[in-house]
Amino acid sequence: DAKTTQPNSMESNEEEPVHLPCNHSTISGTDYIHWYRQLPSQGPEYVIHGLTSNVNNRMASLAIAEDRKSSTLILHRATLRDAAVYYCILRPNAGGTSYGKLTFGQGTILTVHP
Amino acid sequence: EPEVTQTPSHQVTQMGQEVILRCVPISNHLYFYWYRQILGQKVEFLVSFYNNEISEKSEIFDDQFSVERPDGSNFTLKIRSTKLEDSAMYFCASSDWRGLAGVNEQFFGPGTRLTVL
Repeated sequence: DAKTTQPNSMESNEEEPVHLPCNHSTISGTDYIHWYRQLPSQGPEYVIHGLTSNVNNRMASLAIAEDRKSSTLILHRATLRDAAVYYCILRPNAGGTSYGKLTFGQGTILTVHP
Repeated sequence: EPEVTQTPSHQVTQMGQEVILRCVPISNHLYFYWYRQILGQKVEFLVSFYNNEISEKSEIFDDQFSVERPDGSNFTLKIRSTKLEDSAMYFCASSDWRGLAGVNEQFFGPGTRLTVL
């Protein structure tokens, strides 16, 4: 599986935007970029995913570099509830033999200050 | 909003005992997964299950582990003879089918904390 690299930790203030980077220089053409997060003492939670174009949903935005070697998860206004570990995960669209397991790295611990 | 549920929330067992962890996936989902997270470590994939059979499993998922969907709603993970190193949080997840394996999001349960003494 292609590898992702994320900073170990980041800090933000409440109500400020947060940009969480992810490098994936060995991404293949059919890999989707997924972001999950894990709030304290909870299971992982889907945030957003994309392939080539930037994506927006109610939780966040995903900005994907033109060469797809990096991406950035954007939380437009961080709240205390956004404090979590954020995981950037590449998922191959292999179809036949891959049923979509998620390969988690260490992720980025986001601390949000009031 | 539909959610994945898991029982029990915490299971304490003696080494060598069998445990069964239970999960109720979201009702119209077709793909089911188990992951585990040892305290302070990353989330690790164990097994995926589709159409009543294992579709993929990791090296962790050895002969001591088995999965079953006994009644069309529950999805269980059995550990036949627990070891100390099986102590972890176990997460169940499910997803529907959207035609592309790389697209479908997985919905996770709250986890079962397994403590092996």
